[in-house]
Parts: sequence; C-alpha cells; structure tokens
Amino acid sequence: DIQMTQSPSTLSASVGDRVTITCRASQSISSWLAWYQQKPGKAPNLLIYEASSLESGVPSRFSARGSGTEFTLTISSLQPDDFAAYYCQQYNSYPYTFGQGTKLEIK
Amino acid sequence: EVQLVQSGAEVKKPGESLKISCKGSGYSFTNYWIGWVRQMPGKGLEWVGIIYPGDSNTRYSPSFQGQVTISADKSISTAYLQWSSLKASDTAMYYCARQRVAADYWGQGTLVTVSS
Repeated sequence: DIQMTQSPSTLSASVGDRVTITCRASQSISSWLAWYQQKPGKAPNLLIYEASSLESGVPSRFSARGSGTEFTLTISSLQPDDFAAYYCQQYNSYPYTFGQGTKLEIK
Repeated sequence: EVQLVQSGAEVKKPGESLKISCKGSGYSFTNYWIGWVRQMPGKGLEWVGIIYPGDSNTRYSPSFQGQVTISADKSISTAYLQWSSLKASDTAMYYCARQRVAADYWGQGTLVTVSS
C-alpha cells in the first residue's frame, strides 16, 4: 500500500494568515492526488484533484501543487469558514489511501 | 443535480449482519465508480473499497478484505456495504462517494453503532 503522511497534524492560525499543509507519498503517485476539507459532522468536500486542479465552486484562495511524492495545499488568506480538517488522498493505485489529516484551528 | 443518499443510522449487536445503502441520482450511475470510506469516532478517513456498478468490478483495501462486502444493483442505482458478523470495532460513520477522478460527490454518511 502507498502510505500518505501529512504534516502538521494540527495547525493553529489566525484569520488572514497564509498556511500550507504538506502531504508526502511513500512512492511516486504522479499527480493522482486529491485534497478534501471536512467540517465536524459533515461529509468531506473535494477541494483539489490531480494535485493542482481546483474543483468547481472552491474559492481561489485554495491552491495546491506537487507531483511524484511531495505535495502542498496552500490557503492564501484564511477565512473563518476554513477552520476544519484537511485530508490528502492518493488515487494512483489501490487501495486509495488517505493521509492522517490536518486539523486547522483558530489561534 | 448529482446526489448520493445513504440509508439511516443503525444500532446493532455484535455478531449481527447489516447492509447499508447508497442511492445515486442525477447522473449515469453505471458510468462512475462508487467508493466507501470509514471514519471511526474522532479519527481520520479510511478507504474501504470501491465498485463499478456497470459490471460490478470491485476492489477492497487489504484492511477490509474479507470483513465487508461491496455490491451494487444498477437497476435501482444503489450501492451497498454489508457485514455478515459485526464487531464493536465496526462502530463508525460510513460514507459513499462517487469517484470521478477524485471523490467529487459524497453521501451524507451512515452511522453504524455496534454495542451489546
């Protein structure tokens, strides 16, 4: 199985901050990586697919880059609605594994 | 409008069987994979497996292989996740999701509670 490792596990930040979350794959996954946002009690929501493509309807303050084994998700200016958990997921090969998650909390 | 609607919460005893469902609408159900994801209380997302309703081609995570069965009935646009003998450790929220490239539409989740 491909292992996905996210860092940090928890991130404390303020409204207006620029934040970056990192996701590393245990082997190359090309660009087959997605990022999801999950709020408490809700289903995950797709933000980014194919490593850097913004899903329709997702605000442009979200951006992502990477390929191979190293990937990042950046939020350019945090809004109150962005405080949530974020997960990366590889879909290069089965099983489609998730990172352990990053909880973005208000400082 | 694409929608995935899951069946309601379940409370079961250890050893009982269970089948939960995920009904798709607003798109061609047979042309997209449907995946299942587990989220244990307070924990992260775990990929369970996936099915292509067009031909019932199914893949499982090794962690769940033999523990659950994924199926689909394309005549009613519904995918299923089932257990033959539940354990307390199966207590979790289970989500279905349509797989376009990534999982672009998700069901609302089905909470499964297994307790004696």
